[in-house]
Amino acid sequence: AQSVSQHNHHVILSEAASLELGCNYSYGGTVNLFWYVQYPGQHLQLLLKYFSGDPLVKGIKGFEAEFIKSKFSFNLRKPSVQWSDTAEYFCAARGNSGNTPLVFGKGTRLSVIA
Amino acid sequence: GAVVSQHPSRVICKSGTSVKIECRSLDFQATTMFWYRQFPKQSLMLMATSNEGSKATYEQGVEKDKFLINHASLTLSTLTVTSAHPEDSSFYICSATRQGNQPQHFGDGTRLSIL
Repeated sequence: AQSVSQHNHHVILSEAASLELGCNYSYGGTVNLFWYVQYPGQHLQLLLKYFSGDPLVKGIKGFEAEFIKSKFSFNLRKPSVQWSDTAEYFCAARGNSGNTPLVFGKGTRLSVIA
Repeated sequence: GAVVSQHPSRVICKSGTSVKIECRSLDFQATTMFWYRQFPKQSLMLMATSNEGSKATYEQGVEKDKFLINHASLTLSTLTVTSAHPEDSSFYICSATRQGNQPQHFGDGTRLSIL
């Protein structure tokens, strides 16, 4: 069965610290991978996605993620976090088709303190 | 672009009431819409996949007679929670996607509270 695992439930960082959120997936066949962010009181927003090609994907707001096929991983990174990055982050996967549903990880809450 | 509007954002009602939630794609045609449910501190769980003009496909364990889904047009899908009970209280989120290998775009969600 398809599944997505996020290892960290809650991460607390100081401003300017570097961030890496882990994501591993279990999926048969070609997989599309996503990171979504949910700011407090807001809807899910797409940070970045990987469909194919360069495994290092750059997204909005300075985030990037690296697809490592051998490790079934798609970790999210940011060199220097800001207070405004405080949010819930969800990793998600789906098959290589737009009308297949996303399978979400449980989410990681990021709290950035001054 | 790619805005999805979900209405209402919050519903509080008595047990036994039926509640309808609307999901609209405002600036694109959504061939497929998805309905998710999110319990506190948990991930989004897919309830059903809805293709325009077709019957929805429900995930295992989701009662199709309890959660009625209609996707009558390329811009609107509705979820009706029939005879809602307190255990149906949750955060319901819809998403929509265009034809082809496109990302999903999410609505703001509806917090349903059944007293």
